[in-house]
Amino acid sequence: AQSVTQPDIHITVSEGASLELRCNYSYGATPYLFWYVQSPGQGLQLLLKYFSGDTLVQGIKGFEAEFKRSQSSFNLRKPSVHWSDAAEYFCAVVSSGTYKYIFGTGTRLKVLA
Amino acid sequence: SQTIHQWPATLVQPVGSPLSLECTVEGTSNPNLYWYRQAAGRGLQLLFYSVGIGQISSEVPQNLSASRPQDRQFILSSKKLLLSDSGFYLCAWTPPGVGGGETQYFGPGTRLLVL
Repeated sequence: AQSVTQPDIHITVSEGASLELRCNYSYGATPYLFWYVQSPGQGLQLLLKYFSGDTLVQGIKGFEAEFKRSQSSFNLRKPSVHWSDAAEYFCAVVSSGTYKYIFGTGTRLKVLA
Repeated sequence: SQTIHQWPATLVQPVGSPLSLECTVEGTSNPNLYWYRQAAGRGLQLLFYSVGIGQISSEVPQNLSASRPQDRQFILSSKKLLLSDSGFYLCAWTPPGVGGGETQYFGPGTRLLVL
């Protein structure tokens, strides 16, 4: 069955430090991969997505993610975290030709001043 | 540009009461529409999706139902709410298509508390 795993429920980093949020997927076909961010009490906002081509994808707010097929991973990174990045981050996957988007359980990011 | 609306923003309902949550999309035609539920500390659970008027696919058997009476309107309903129905309900849309991995765009959500 298709699945998305975000192994880290909570992550705390200091402002200015680098960040990596992990995402692993299990999918039979080539997936389309997404990272979303959710501020408390709000909807989800797309950070970036991977469809094909260059495996390093640039997104908004200085985020990037790298697709590694051999590791079934799509980890999100940011070189220097800002206090405003504190939020919950979701990885999602959908297979070509389907309508069902599968979301991970999310990683809550806390940023220390 | 496209926008997605959900209402109400917050709702407190007694157990056994009915429910109606509404989602509308502006600025596009024939979108694919989705209802998700997000429980505290958990991810997004897909409840229903619709690829056209009157076409509803249910992903999780439960006491909820969905309807799409108009092209850009998606309604989530229940005849009798349960305590376990509490959560944050999100509506989303994608451009029309055969599921080519389009980006999902989310509404602001409805916070439902069942007491």
